[in-house]
Amino acid sequence: DARVTQTPRHKVTEMGQEVTMRCQPILGHNTVFWYRQTMMQGLELLAYFRNRAPLDDSGMPKDRFSAEMPDATLATLKIQPSEPRDSAVYFCASVLRLAGTYNEQFFGPGTRLTVL
Amino acid sequence: GQQLNQSPQSMFIQEGEDVSMNCTSSSIFNTWLWYKQDPGEGPVLLIALYKAGELTSNGRLTAQFGITRKDSFLNISASIPSDVGIYFCAGHTSGTYKYIFGTGTRLKVLA
Repeated sequence: DARVTQTPRHKVTEMGQEVTMRCQPILGHNTVFWYRQTMMQGLELLAYFRNRAPLDDSGMPKDRFSAEMPDATLATLKIQPSEPRDSAVYFCASVLRLAGTYNEQFFGPGTRLTVL
Repeated sequence: GQQLNQSPQSMFIQEGEDVSMNCTSSSIFNTWLWYKQDPGEGPVLLIALYKAGELTSNGRLTAQFGITRKDSFLNISASIPSDVGIYFCAGHTSGTYKYIFGTGTRLKVLA
C-alpha cells in the first residue's frame, strides 16, 4: 500500500556534524511538508513544497537548515552544522493536493535525531 | 505556532469503555483530520471530515465535524489495549497549506 517513507529512522551524531534526512512521498502527491516534533513544542512546520518548489521554509533556522526536492520522489532536509537543540523527531508528510477531499495529509514514520 | 485546544490531555480508561475527546478552534476549518500516533511512529490518519455536521465511522471510531466548523469530536467504542497512543486532531482551511494541529490526547487503557 502507498505510504511515505523516511530514512534513516534513527540518527545519532555529534554536534557540528552534517545530517541529511530523506523522504519519499506517496507517488503522485504534489505537496510535501517537513515537520519537527518535540515534547515541548509539539508538531512544528519547517518547510512546505508544492510541485517540488519550496513555498514556505520560514519555520527553519536558515543558517543551518536547508530543504530540497531534487525530484518528485525525493525530499531532503539537511542540517549543517547540527546542534544538540536540533534533537527531535523529524517527519515528512505528503498530500495529493490541497483542495477538496484530496487534502488528507499522510505522515512518514519519522527520523529520530539525537545530537550529542 | 498556533495549536488547537484538545481535551482531555490524557486519560486512563478501563478496557471495554467508550472514549470521547474533542478539539476546538477559534477559526473555521473546511477539513478536520484525526490521527493516532504510536510510540516511535508517525501519526496515522484515522478519519477525515469535510462537511459541517458530518459523522464518519472507521470501525470502532466515530468522528464528527461540528456544526460551527470550529470543533470536532472523536469517539472510540469498546476500547482495547491497542488503542493506547496519542490522538491528534488537525484542521485545514481550503486555499491554504497550513494544517493546525491539536495538542494531543494521550490515551492509556487498563486491561
